[in-house]
Amino acid sequence: NAGVTQTPKFQVLKTGQSMTLQCAQDMNHEYMSWYRQDPGMGLRLIHYSVGAGITDQGEVPNGYNVSRSTTEDFPLRLLSAAPSQTSVYFCASSADGLTLHFGNGTRLTVT
Amino acid sequence: GIQVEQSPPDLILQEGANSTLRCNFSDSVNNLQWFHQNPWGQLINLFYIPSGTKQNGRLSATTVATERYSLLYISSSQTTDSGVYFCAVHNTDKLIFGTGTRLQVFP
Repeated sequence: NAGVTQTPKFQVLKTGQSMTLQCAQDMNHEYMSWYRQDPGMGLRLIHYSVGAGITDQGEVPNGYNVSRSTTEDFPLRLLSAAPSQTSVYFCASSADGLTLHFGNGTRLTVT
Repeated sequence: GIQVEQSPPDLILQEGANSTLRCNFSDSVNNLQWFHQNPWGQLINLFYIPSGTKQNGRLSATTVATERYSLLYISSSQTTDSGVYFCAVHNTDKLIFGTGTRLQVFP
């Protein structure tokens, strides 16, 4: 039972490069979300989705795009990476939007 | 937006000691959860507790929604309890996290 799978685990980008962080879940959860974790600031919500075809912004959406074409996948796109986006990114899913299951995170460094 | 504050920010304990972690929130919430992030970065859901008290082994949590706070109790702490404890509150569709309490338990 894989749960929530995030890839890659680590990534280094140069300023201005683009990339997609992948998130997949096999629990048929409708609710999925992306968080970033910075030292001393807890987790902050970037974007979330309550079902396929539906996405909405969280606390810190600028610089990130998402789409939700299937129930299983919720990729997070950085169109033009900036050093301020250096962080650890967590994807989570939930059946009811309440009890979240987290992936193991992606550590991103932008130089 | 809603503010979530946790205290203390850091806590150092010797194995066997008890501790209480606090979470205050600034507005009415739909529910509240406690998470543990272990030293490897994994986030584990401990409690979903919009109100009342729940217990799971050495851990228990109490939420008093009318007074906008929640407490996490850790009894007889063990080194494996080390990590960061987060509370998170639901505001409409969004889960908002506090900044966490970093707990270190030494043998």
